[in-house]
Amino acid sequence: KNQVEQSPQSLIILEGKNCTLQCNYTVSPFSNLRWYKQDTGRGPVSLTIMTFSENTKSNGRYTATLDADTKQSSLHITASQLSDSASYICVVSDRGSTLGRLYFGRGTQLTVWP
Amino acid sequence: EADIYQTPRYLVIGTGKKITLECSQTMGHDKMYWYQQDPGMELHLIHYSYGVNSTEKGDLSSESTVSRIRTEHFPLTLESARPSHTSQYLCASQGGGGTSSYEQYFGPGTRLTVT
Repeated sequence: KNQVEQSPQSLIILEGKNCTLQCNYTVSPFSNLRWYKQDTGRGPVSLTIMTFSENTKSNGRYTATLDADTKQSSLHITASQLSDSASYICVVSDRGSTLGRLYFGRGTQLTVWP
Repeated sequence: EADIYQTPRYLVIGTGKKITLECSQTMGHDKMYWYQQDPGMELHLIHYSYGVNSTEKGDLSSESTVSRIRTEHFPLTLESARPSHTSQYLCASQGGGGTSSYEQYFGPGTRLTVT
C-alpha cells in the first residue's frame, strides 16, 4: 500500500533554533517528492520539489534531502522564525499513471515560540 | 504567489441547500484538482480535470460534482449539503514546463460548515 508517514506529528521549538522533520514513504514507482508549508486556514505552498536524481535542495532557510534508496526525506529548518509556525506536508508522486498520483502525509505541526 | 483563487473563503449553510464553490486560475494550466481536508488530516483528492470538458472522480468518494467548461474555471457543486460535508475544500492547478510541470499550486481554500 502506497503511504507517506511523517514524524513527529507535532513539534515545538524556540525561535532561532534549528529543527528537522522526517518523511518516510512506500510509494512505488517514484517520480518526485515535495514539501509544502500550510498555514492555518490556508492552502499549501510549495517549498521544494525533488526528483529521483536529486538528493538535496534548498529554499532559503529550508533544506530538503532525499534518499530514494531508503525512501526517506527530511526537511531541515535553520534559524527558525515565528512565521515558520505551520503544518509541513510531505507529498510523494508516482509515475504509474498519467495523473502522476499524489500521496499526502498528514503533516508535522510546527510551533515556534519566542 | 500562485494566481489561483477560491470563493467564498468561508461558508456556513443549512442542510439541504445547494452550493457552488468557485475556483479559478490565471496561469493557463490544463490540470486542476479539488481536495478535501479535515483538521489535522491529509488532503484527499475528490475530483480532477485534465482540460476543458474532462472531469474525473478522485480517490475519496464525494457527493459533489464538478464541471470544466473553461480552462481557467473549475467549480464544485453540492446539490444538497449535509453536515457530513463540513470540511475545508482546496482547489489546485498544475502545468508549465520542466520541473514546474510537477508543481501543484493551491488556492486559499473554502471552509464549509453545514448546520
